[in-house]
Order: sequence, then C-alpha cells, then structure tokens
Amino acid sequence: KAGVTQTPRYLIKTRGQQVTLSCSPISGHRSVSWYQQTPGQGLQFLFEYFSETQRNKGNFPGRFSGRQFSNSRSEMNVSTLELGDSALYLCASSYVGSGSPLHFGNGTRLTVT
Amino acid sequence: GDSVTQMEGPVTLSEEAFLTINCTYTATGYPSLFWYVQYPGEGLQLLLKATKADDKGSNKGFEATYRKETTSFHLEKGSVQVSDSAVYFCAPRGGSQGNLIFGKGTKLSVKP
Repeated sequence: KAGVTQTPRYLIKTRGQQVTLSCSPISGHRSVSWYQQTPGQGLQFLFEYFSETQRNKGNFPGRFSGRQFSNSRSEMNVSTLELGDSALYLCASSYVGSGSPLHFGNGTRLTVT
Repeated sequence: GDSVTQMEGPVTLSEEAFLTINCTYTATGYPSLFWYVQYPGEGLQLLLKATKADDKGSNKGFEATYRKETTSFHLEKGSVQVSDSAVYFCAPRGGSQGNLIFGKGTKLSVKP
C-alpha cells in the first residue's frame, strides 16, 4: 500500500500571500488530520476531516482552513501568510476510531519570508 | 483539556545502553496510547501502541505498557543502537478531544 503523500515537499512564500498544501491518504483511510510542527511549539493539531466534514479543530486562527474531497484527499489553505507560519505541516490518515493509529506523510516544509 | 508530559531531552546514550523515556498523560475517558518516532527530515512513524490497561505494545525491541493507575506509558529498550537516534513522541488519542495529543518529544542520540 502506498503511504500518505504530501505535495509539495518544500514551499517558499512571502508574507501576505496564500498557500495550498495537498495530502493523499492511504487507500481506505477516510480520516485525514493536519498538524503544524515548529521547534518552539512542537506538534500542534490543526484539524481533522472525515467524509468531507471537519470533525475536530485545533486552536488556530481562521486563516487556516481545510477541506476534504469525496476521494478522501485533503487540502489545507493558509491565507495572508505571516512569518510565524513557517513550519513543517504534516498530514496523517487513519481509519476511524481512537485505537486506529495515524499514518503520517513526510510533510510540507513551508518557509515564509 | 487532555495533555501529555514527556521527559525533557536530549538524551545521549552509548550503544547497547538501556533506554527509558518517561511519559504521563491526562485525559478524560479511556484513550489509546501511541509512541511515534521521527527521523531527521521525515514525518512521524508509528513505533507502537496500546489500547487498553495493562496492554504492552512492542516493536523493534521497544516496549511500553499502558498503566492506567499511574496514567503512564513509558518507553523502554534494553539495548539501543546508533540507528535508534531520533526524536520520540508520546501521544494519547481519544479522551475528550479525539485527536492525537503530542508531547514535546525527546531527542535521543546514541553514540557508538
């Protein structure tokens, strides 16, 4: 089975721009979660989608949004980028249920200048 | 809300030394517990899991036991190798929030 695929792998943007990151989950996984990883804050939960609906959301401003398509692929969007948005963004997919582990992609490294 | 506390790193060990990384959590309900490992430049990989009290998760020589009475899930390995050098994350899932809650991670360096 192919793993979780995130594109692009690296991205450089300037302040004020917007960005869209893409995630293709493992086949059969219908839940997709997004995390932001920074050296200072560690891993922080952004949101989770299941069946095209946002099920859970972390404490991030409204500039961070996401969506999920009928094939379970997901995108996240960050508008009006700030320097502090520079981070590794990780996508993870899983089956539903707290006992199901999340399977992570290798992430998208976003640098905002 | 739910939270997890991991021992602060970095941890530096010699090859074949014994490893313990402490992890305690607070969560409502009955979370499942996971350990993830992150190698440089990569995403997180599942190392092991336990879904109920007294369950022992194990993989690649690593072990952790779900201790409900002490709300702990300490990671152990009897003999570490240089290739075990990575950052390790403890993460409960479930409880009041449903998503994975990560600790700050413990960086392990193993010297030959």
